[in-house]
Amino acid sequence: SQTIHQWPATLVQPVGSPLSLECTVEGTSNPNLYWYRQAAGRGLQLLFYSVGIGQISSEVPQNLSASRPQDRQFILSSKKLLLSDSGFYLCAWSRRDREEAFFGQGTRLTVV
Amino acid sequence: QKEVEQNSGPLSVPEGAIASLNCTYSDRGSQSFFWYRQYSGKSPELIMFIYSNGDKEDGRFTAQLNKASQYVSLLIRDSQPSDSATYLCAVNRRGSNDYKLSFGAGTTVTVRA
Repeated sequence: SQTIHQWPATLVQPVGSPLSLECTVEGTSNPNLYWYRQAAGRGLQLLFYSVGIGQISSEVPQNLSASRPQDRQFILSSKKLLLSDSGFYLCAWSRRDREEAFFGQGTRLTVV
Repeated sequence: QKEVEQNSGPLSVPEGAIASLNCTYSDRGSQSFFWYRQYSGKSPELIMFIYSNGDKEDGRFTAQLNKASQYVSLLIRDSQPSDSATYLCAVNRRGSNDYKLSFGAGTTVTVRA
């Protein structure tokens, strides 16, 4: 069966510090991968998606970047965090031929 | 206009009643529709998907789709306290060789024991 791991679960970072969130998927090959952000009381905003190694599409211009160095690894980064980067970050995957997305446990980021 | 709109709630229903959640979408070309349940502080989990007009039943859940009116709904029968959560509607956006879901802000459901 497929599983998705995302870490850390919570993170408190000062403004201006770097960020690196990692997500890995097991039990499947060549998945579509996604990074979403959920602000308090709001819906999920798609930040990045990837259909293959090194292929990243950005949905929203922002202070963040994403990379996919391996087939089942997706990384969300920032060089300098802003207060507005606080939120619940969710990694998700879907099969290449299916639309249903499955989420990791999420990372709650608080920028102080 | 938001791509996917839902009433934020909260929707409060007594235990054993039917909870009815609605979702409308703006892209008439949308093809696939999903309902996710999100408990407080947790990540969303997929509970239903529907592709064709009409009803689709899975246990106590029924998804209803009307593409002409651009709405999709979720019925929860015999509501239980464990159904208390936020329900997210998601819609597939047309694209080439990728599948990107657009989410509504969610409807919070509270089931009163």
